[in-house]
Amino acid sequence: NAGVTQTPKFQVLKTGQSMTLQCAQDMNHEYMSWYRQDPGMGLRLIHYSVGAGITDQGEVPNGYNVSRSTTEDFPLRLLSAAPSQTSVYFCASNHGGINYEQYFGPGTRLTVT
Amino acid sequence: AQKITQTQPGMFVQEKEAVTLDCTYDTSDQSYGLFWYKQPSSGEMIFLIYQGSYDEQNATEGRYSLNFQKARKSANLVISASQLGDSAMYFCAMKGDSGGGADGLTFGKGTHLIIQP
Repeated sequence: NAGVTQTPKFQVLKTGQSMTLQCAQDMNHEYMSWYRQDPGMGLRLIHYSVGAGITDQGEVPNGYNVSRSTTEDFPLRLLSAAPSQTSVYFCASNHGGINYEQYFGPGTRLTVT
Repeated sequence: AQKITQTQPGMFVQEKEAVTLDCTYDTSDQSYGLFWYKQPSSGEMIFLIYQGSYDEQNATEGRYSLNFQKARKSANLVISASQLGDSAMYFCAMKGDSGGGADGLTFGKGTHLIIQP
């Protein structure tokens, strides 16, 4: 199993550009989520999904869009990049419930100039 | 709403000593899970240990143990016999049952642990 994969690993955008961060998992997990990590902060939840066709907002959803058309894929779209979105982005997946660990992808380091 | 507090931004520890990383939490959920993750300088998030709120025994995983004190709302990570490879950021996190466990983890700000030879 590849686990959770993310592409790209690094990305530089100009303010106002849009892009999609890709995330895929091959563990047949129903639950998937996106986090961002800023310096001196823990990870903060952007959006999450409990299954194909179902998504919801997390703590910091503004400026991001998600969709879940398949169990495997959960892309994150930046609609109009801003410098405040410079961060490291992690995708994660897990089985449902409170007692299952989240499996994280390797992260995408995004810089917006 | 849930909140995780890690009060130690950084710690220096001598190799082979035991380390305790502090974590306190706040939640109104009746049932919840507590997690510790390690993030080395390479950046990946590595799961270490889990404790359920109704587990009567403290969780252990090899050199890691979780000192769970429910009444005090604390979930400290203990690393026995520290090694140089333990140098990393450590995050405490939790998930409550109010969102059905679906709405991700709430993280603390982390503790930067440095093991000195």
